[in-house]
Amino acid sequence: DSGVTQTPKHLITATGQRVTLRCSPRSGDLSVYWYQQSLDQGLQFLIQYYNGEERAKGNILERFSAQQFPDLHSELNLSSLELGDSALYFCASSVGTGRGNTEAFFGQGTRLTVV
Amino acid sequence: ILNVEQSPQSLHVQEGDSTNFTCSFPSSNFYALHWYRWETAKSPEALFVMTLNGDEKKKGRISATLNTKEGYSYLYIKGSQPEDSATYLCARSTDSWGKFQFGAGTQVVVTP
Repeated sequence: DSGVTQTPKHLITATGQRVTLRCSPRSGDLSVYWYQQSLDQGLQFLIQYYNGEERAKGNILERFSAQQFPDLHSELNLSSLELGDSALYFCASSVGTGRGNTEAFFGQGTRLTVV
Repeated sequence: ILNVEQSPQSLHVQEGDSTNFTCSFPSSNFYALHWYRWETAKSPEALFVMTLNGDEKKKGRISATLNTKEGYSYLYIKGSQPEDSATYLCARSTDSWGKFQFGAGTQVVVTP
């Protein structure tokens, strides 16, 4: 058990809809990262939050947004969903202080299917 | 090399045999190289973090080496067991903030 909790594990929704994925980081971790794994692709970095603030942005679509709350849990909001958004979405957390080696711990992922 | 690349994409190994596979990455702006082991329906599990050229790390029957000058890392599995079946991911980070650039993974299947 990595200590990172993602909910829900599976989500099926229709095109055009909006969904929210939730992530609770390991106790004590301040950084949360979101990754997307589509078919036949490696994990693609979407966005990082550190202690409530957006720290880094990757290939995240404008239809997607995220936030990190005061209790450090994070939510990834996906709107106007398209078939191509079907993927496995991972959350990871780390101490993420910007000093030293940073090992990231991953949740089990949320499998999103858009139909 | 612009991206992190892993080869082969998949390999089948007989139980008891040893195997190895490669992660290639851009050698510029290198901070650390991470290896993860990922079993289906589970979380990717961290195996190694390596930062220095020539680093070698070992965990049981699994070991890894790092060459930052030429931009590659090898992962070795000695005496493969069925429980070693998994996808092995490598990821490069360019700073200490933990944002990773992942390869597509090498899927290892160990057959009894």
